[in-house]
Amino acid sequence: DAGITQSPRHKVTETGTPVTLRCHQTENHRYMYWYRQDPGHGLRLIHYSYGVKDTDKGEVSDGYSVSRSKTEDFLLTLESATSSQTSVYFCAISDPAGGRGDTQYFGPGTRLTVL
Amino acid sequence: QQQVKQSPQSLIVQKGGISIINCAYENTAFDYFPWYQQFPGKGPALLIAIRPDVSEKKEGRFTISFNKSAKQFSLHIMDSQPGDSATYFCAASKGNYKLTFGKGTLLTVNP
Repeated sequence: DAGITQSPRHKVTETGTPVTLRCHQTENHRYMYWYRQDPGHGLRLIHYSYGVKDTDKGEVSDGYSVSRSKTEDFLLTLESATSSQTSVYFCAISDPAGGRGDTQYFGPGTRLTVL
Repeated sequence: QQQVKQSPQSLIVQKGGISIINCAYENTAFDYFPWYQQFPGKGPALLIAIRPDVSEKKEGRFTISFNKSAKQFSLHIMDSQPGDSATYFCAASKGNYKLTFGKGTLLTVNP
């Protein structure tokens, strides 16, 4: 998984509680992404980061926030989890250096269940 | 608006057969078309990718065919093996380092 770890790998939480998922990379890649994967929807981009403290929204950003205080870590926060946020969350990284910015490498995923 | 449409949703092929998965896109600004392979419980992994300046790219048993005028591209898996059983995603990018994914195809290769 290209030097990407996600934590926790599994989490069960209750509606209304805050949840933070962590993505850590050892590749020094500039870009980091958070996706959610749901049956019948494929992979949908939540937020992405193009550098430390530089982030932008994806197509399904409502209810999620992100932070990136250093190159290797990208945090995804659900301020008040809802059952519709039950999903598998993937982090990905890419590096524009050498013209390979479109090639994304994915982490192992976090399975989140909101009861 | 679904920018990348993938079909079929599921596919069953016999060992040794050819698996074909198709994708169609709408945005002519897309200029990078990767395919990802995902095994259960794992993250997607890049399988093969193509840019629109070529019509075909082959890597081992995997081939991408690209038709720019029709705005379509497809993945062909020759001599399909049970180990190829996985979910396959097509994607597209318009040079902004963001990928738009198709909804995926679950491939089952029977022994």
